[in-house]
Amino acid sequence: EDQVTQSPEALRLQEGESSSLNCSYTVSGLRGLFWYRQDPGKGPEFLFTLYSAGEEKEKERLKATLTKKESFLHITAPKPEDSATYLCAVEETSGSRLTFGEGTQLTVNP
Amino acid sequence: EPEVTQTPSHQVTQMGQEVILRCVPISNHLYFYWYRQILGQKVEFLVSFYNNEISEKSEIFDDQFSVERPDGSNFTLKIRSTKLEDSAMYFCASRTYGGGEKLFFGSGTQLSVL
Repeated sequence: EDQVTQSPEALRLQEGESSSLNCSYTVSGLRGLFWYRQDPGKGPEFLFTLYSAGEEKEKERLKATLTKKESFLHITAPKPEDSATYLCAVEETSGSRLTFGEGTQLTVNP
Repeated sequence: EPEVTQTPSHQVTQMGQEVILRCVPISNHLYFYWYRQILGQKVEFLVSFYNNEISEKSEIFDDQFSVERPDGSNFTLKIRSTKLEDSAMYFCASRTYGGGEKLFFGSGTQLSVL
């Protein structure tokens, strides 16, 4: 069974204070690892898909990396508008469902 | 950017009643999904749908649930006899192709069963 564990559960940063979120996963065969952002009362908003170990993707202040066991979402010089819950999900080669982690609730204070 | 549209945004129902949640996926997408998120918990997969049939379903998706694509644009989730534990935010999602593609989510329907 796919397992996805995210840490920390919550993270509070000052504006400009860079940090990283972690996503550890266990799958039989990885088709893709997804990062989403979720605002309160809204649906997940797509950020990145990573497909193989060593892959990196960037978008504005966010950078996602992937190894064979975990993924990191690095946030550089965050702003208050980056406050949200960040979700990690994996898709296995044998199906098309995404298995989500519990998420990391990020708060960036001005 | 195109969006997945869900209606209603909120639905309140009595236990034992039937509800239908509606979704309009993005027009050129071929794969459709329902997920749910109970308050404070993780997003959970319910069912995937392709070529007018269920392609995968989770253990949550029992006989009380059904999905349908009644026409070329709508995708519905029916819960036949709602239970208190069905209270959750239900998300519809779609994508162009199958595995590995970016999955677009709607804003959700908050279902409250009283």
